[in-house]
Amino acid sequence: AQKITQTQPGMFVQEKEAVTLDCTYDTSDPSYGLFWYKQPSSGEMIFLIYQGSYDQQNATEGRYSLNFQKARKSANLVISASQLGDSAMYFCAMREVNNAGNMLTFGGGTRLMVKP
Amino acid sequence: DVKVTQSSRYLVKRTGEKVFLECVQDMDHENMFWYRQDPGLGLRLIYFSYDVKMKEKGDIPEGYSVSREKKERFSLILESASTNQTSMYLCASHVKSSTGELFFGEGSRLTVL
Repeated sequence: AQKITQTQPGMFVQEKEAVTLDCTYDTSDPSYGLFWYKQPSSGEMIFLIYQGSYDQQNATEGRYSLNFQKARKSANLVISASQLGDSAMYFCAMREVNNAGNMLTFGGGTRLMVKP
Repeated sequence: DVKVTQSSRYLVKRTGEKVFLECVQDMDHENMFWYRQDPGLGLRLIYFSYDVKMKEKGDIPEGYSVSREKKERFSLILESASTNQTSMYLCASHVKSSTGELFFGEGSRLTVL
């Protein structure tokens, strides 16, 4: 079974509007972490935001916020006031721990396109 | 600044050739990873290493091997490249005791003809 699911292969958003990228996850481990990464067309992976499973408040980093709903096992990324430079692939990832340490599992990604 | 460097951004190889993808990090990270990225499938873990000379299989190790002779260097090897190994390969690393945040290289896009 897939551990991280991103159901939106592609999305459009109008410049300056907010957009939500969906991510659901599956784990039985009580201690885990959730990440969002951005991948522009140049290919590099850029870390955006992190949420720990025990964090009481939703994580925020500038225009990015993570809508963490633990009971629903969802960790949606909200981008406020979209900019043209936000056009990219976005990946949700979950950290679990095994005997080798932290491991990240990624979702299939969402391609976001910002319209001027 | 944190730096993960992959030796080649673009490679074109022929079926059956041996391919080396090199990755070097300058952050003294214990853990290093090789992922493969394909459209719609996201990033899938090929191999990882948590110490020099140590390696563990990820989700899709078939057709690949790795080498970690020094802490800063993690190499991915395709012993006999096949067309279905045409993909983007991403190297990453992190500190063992961290939240798990991965630091990525710029990626190596491999085409096997």
